[in-house]
Amino acid sequence: GESVGLHLPTLSVQEGDNSIINCAYSNSASDYFIWYKQESGKGPQFIIDIRSNMDKRQGQRVTVLLNKTVKHLSLQIAATQPGDSAVYFCAEHRGSTLGRLYFGRGTQLTVWP
Amino acid sequence: DADVTQTPRNRITKTGKRIMLECSQTKGHDRMYWYRQDPGLGLRLIYYSFDVKDINKGEISDGYSVSRQAQAKFSLSLESAIPNQTALYFCATGSSTDTQYFGPGTRLTVL
Repeated sequence: GESVGLHLPTLSVQEGDNSIINCAYSNSASDYFIWYKQESGKGPQFIIDIRSNMDKRQGQRVTVLLNKTVKHLSLQIAATQPGDSAVYFCAEHRGSTLGRLYFGRGTQLTVWP
Repeated sequence: DADVTQTPRNRITKTGKRIMLECSQTKGHDRMYWYRQDPGLGLRLIYYSFDVKDINKGEISDGYSVSRQAQAKFSLSLESAIPNQTALYFCATGSSTDTQYFGPGTRLTVL
C-alpha cells in the first residue's frame, strides 16, 4: 500500500558534522511535506516544510530537498549539535485527503561529542 | 504559554474504566486532531475535526470517541479502556495551510 517511510531507522553523527535524513513517499498526489523533530518525552515540533512546486527550501541550519521524480524527501542539518539529537519524522499531505497528514516511523538521530 | 495543551500528562488506569483526555488550543485554528503513538511506529490518526460541527474518523477510531466542545477544545474518550490502548496520545491543531502543531502528549497506561 501507499506509505511514507524512512530509509534508515537510526543515524549517528559527530558534533559539527552535517546530517542527512531521508524519507520516501509513494503517493503521486502528495503536495505538501513537513519535517518534525521529536525529543524524548515531548510532542513533535515543526521544523520546516516544502510544497510540491519547490525543490529546495532552507531554514536556519536546515534544508529540505524534494525530488518528485523519485518521490524522495531529505532533511539536511548543518553543523549538527547535541541538541539536535531526537527522532525526526517526515509527513506528507495528500491532495486526495484534505487536511490530513501521513507520517513515517521516524529516524533516531544521535549526535556524539 | 503553550499554544496546545493536553491534560492529563500522565494517566494510569485499569481495564474497563472510562477515560477522557482533554486538549485545548490558543492558536485559533479550526482543525483539531487526535493521534496515537506506539514505540517504533509513526503517528496514527484516531479522529479529526475541521470545525465545531464536524467530526471524522481516522485510521484507528475503534474503541475511541471524541467531542468538539468549542473551537478551542477537543476531547478524546476511551469508553472502556483495554491494555492495548496503552500509548502516547497527541492532540494537534491544523491551519488552512495544512501545517499541524502538536501538544506535549499524554502518556496513558491501561493495566
